[in-house]
Amino acid sequence: DQQVKQNSPSLSVQEGRISILNCDYTNSMFDYFLWYKKYPAEGPTFLISISSIKDKNEDGRFTVFLNKSAKHLSLHIVPSQPGDSAVYFCAGQTGANNLFFGTGTRLTVIP
Amino acid sequence: EAGVAQSPRYKIIEKRQSVAFWCNPISGHATLYWYQQILGQGPKLLIQFQNNGVVDDSQLPKDRFSAERLKGVDSTLKIQPAKLEDSAVYLCASSLDLDTQYFGPGTRLTVL
Repeated sequence: DQQVKQNSPSLSVQEGRISILNCDYTNSMFDYFLWYKKYPAEGPTFLISISSIKDKNEDGRFTVFLNKSAKHLSLHIVPSQPGDSAVYFCAGQTGANNLFFGTGTRLTVIP
Repeated sequence: EAGVAQSPRYKIIEKRQSVAFWCNPISGHATLYWYQQILGQGPKLLIQFQNNGVVDDSQLPKDRFSAERLKGVDSTLKIQPAKLEDSAVYLCASSLDLDTQYFGPGTRLTVL
């Protein structure tokens, strides 16, 4: 049972433009949602999170939007930079700090 | 501050053999996690420790997988015997308490 889904395996964006990565979930009990970034041969690195009671959280170039009624969240990166090229994982977090990850979206930012 | 350390980075074994992975969390982190990431999927939690006690091992295939964290610091994850479907990257993560998880680089296991 996949509780978190990322339906786009890959995304290509021109440098300087906006990248939008999407994520859907089925578990209404998630307390937080997180985005992790992963480079090859490295472990995932925490990027940004949002509480389930918020609808937006911003940190520099990164903004996460949460639509609870649609059980959908998205990560916006603007402007996109070549160093942002990586695999991005969306995750839902329960009260026990268990993370349920999506399958990831590979972002390629073209210079 | 040193990150989460894991070894080995790569391991190739034949099916039915045994294998063990080691994890050293960030100093002072009470909570330690082991994840399995199969190619093309996201990481899946296998087991969560709080100090040296198990908090959640509901996703751990206990007939062949075992994990321990005897002194509440380092941890080992063992597979015995390995199956072809165990080929994956095994990630260790730690957190200060129940907060942001920091991941190690992982151990890539190939079972032939």
